[in-house]
Amino acid sequence: QSVLTQPPSVSGTPGQRVTISCSGSSSNIGNNPVNWYQQFPGTAPKLLIFTNDQRASGVPDRFSGSKSDTSASLAINGLQSEDEADYYCAAWDDRLSGSCVFGTGTTVTVL
Amino acid sequence: QVQLVQSGAEMKRPGASANISCKASGYIFSTHIIHWVRQAPGHGLEWMGWINTANGKSKGAQKFQGRLTIIRDPSASTVFMDLRFVTSEDTAVYYCARDRDGSWPTNWFDTWGQGTLVTVSS
Repeated sequence: QSVLTQPPSVSGTPGQRVTISCSGSSSNIGNNPVNWYQQFPGTAPKLLIFTNDQRASGVPDRFSGSKSDTSASLAINGLQSEDEADYYCAAWDDRLSGSCVFGTGTTVTVL
Repeated sequence: QVQLVQSGAEMKRPGASANISCKASGYIFSTHIIHWVRQAPGHGLEWMGWINTANGKSKGAQKFQGRLTIIRDPSASTVFMDLRFVTSEDTAVYYCARDRDGSWPTNWFDTWGQGTLVTVSS
């Protein structure tokens, strides 16, 4: 069971800004960095954002991440059709001797 | 280039064990922790556990306690995941993923295997 909550879906038109929220608690997001992963259907996830707000190599600068207290956000500025994918946040959770927890996942649709 | 190549799809009866391998190449095997993550059809990602490839220490999520074993063979640069007593709820694509770190697990998975579909059906 995911302990990080994301909206099931977000949508936008090309060029629009969309944001995806990731809500956690003090044991995970509140005390550890957040990473974001992008996944296209039938493929393995790919690291998109690390340590809250750093873009992974090759990731376009229209993607940005942020974190505040026990929540994090992923923004896509200037949405493009190729951004249609599933997005997951992830954080380490300090409970139970430590474990990684993923968000529930958000499907981005470009209208 | 850095690569993780997993073994092929498996079909299992309920109560059997799923065994998946993950062969690493393109880097020094013992310098990065390997994690296992699974994804049931139409569902999200679920973290399962990790192994320190340098010393063999491993840990699984509490949910899989008693059923999950993760080991490694440094001579073959390969990590193995064994999930016992599978049920239909274990039907999923299983991924291995390389951690950025080699000493302590993080949520930073910089390379993923291609995934292995395990189907549990009677």
